[in-house]
Amino acid sequence: DVKVTQSSRYLVKRTGEKVFLECVQDMDHENMFWYRQDPGLGLRLIYFSYDVKMKEKGDIPEGYSVSREKKERFSLILESASTNQTSMYLCASSFLGNQPQHFGDGTRLSIL
Amino acid sequence: RKEVEQDPGPFNVPEGATVAFNCTYSNSASQSFFWYRQDCRKEPKLLMSVYSSGNEDGRFTAQLNRASQYISLLIRDSKLSDSATYLCVVKRGDQAGTALIFGKGTTLSVSS
Repeated sequence: DVKVTQSSRYLVKRTGEKVFLECVQDMDHENMFWYRQDPGLGLRLIYFSYDVKMKEKGDIPEGYSVSREKKERFSLILESASTNQTSMYLCASSFLGNQPQHFGDGTRLSIL
Repeated sequence: RKEVEQDPGPFNVPEGATVAFNCTYSNSASQSFFWYRQDCRKEPKLLMSVYSSGNEDGRFTAQLNRASQYISLLIRDSKLSDSATYLCVVKRGDQAGTALIFGKGTTLSVSS
């Protein structure tokens, strides 16, 4: 069974802090994704990666960066956290091609 | 026009009812289609892929109409456990690493 693991279920940080969200998958998937989900807005794609050291901007990349140094790990970085980045963050992975994505449990991030 | 549109609901139905959800997508080049299910405060999970010829999985039937750019999900004999948000998902293209686009979801509540 596919396992996508996010490092924290709940996280509280302060405005201006640099925040790292980690995601690891154990299925040798090429693709990895970061989304945020907010009430009334649905899932919005922040960044994705289809190979090691490759990254592509999603629909809302502003204020975020990512790192993919190893195939199994995809990190989301909030360079200087702001209150409008309080959200549920979801990581997903998939094989290349027309394959569905598998999601981690999500990280509920609060920026105070 | 939003890339993927769904009726947000909520759909409130009694146990045993048949309920249908509709979804439209705007990009005619879209290649792959899925229905995901998301329980409250949980991550999205793949319910079923949607194939051109239509496909069935137990009480669930998915249909695709490429000419009208329309996807549907039919749930027969609704159970209490079917209560969830159902996300219509479209893959933009067939290139490596193409991201999925999620609808905002349709909420279903099944009551006894």
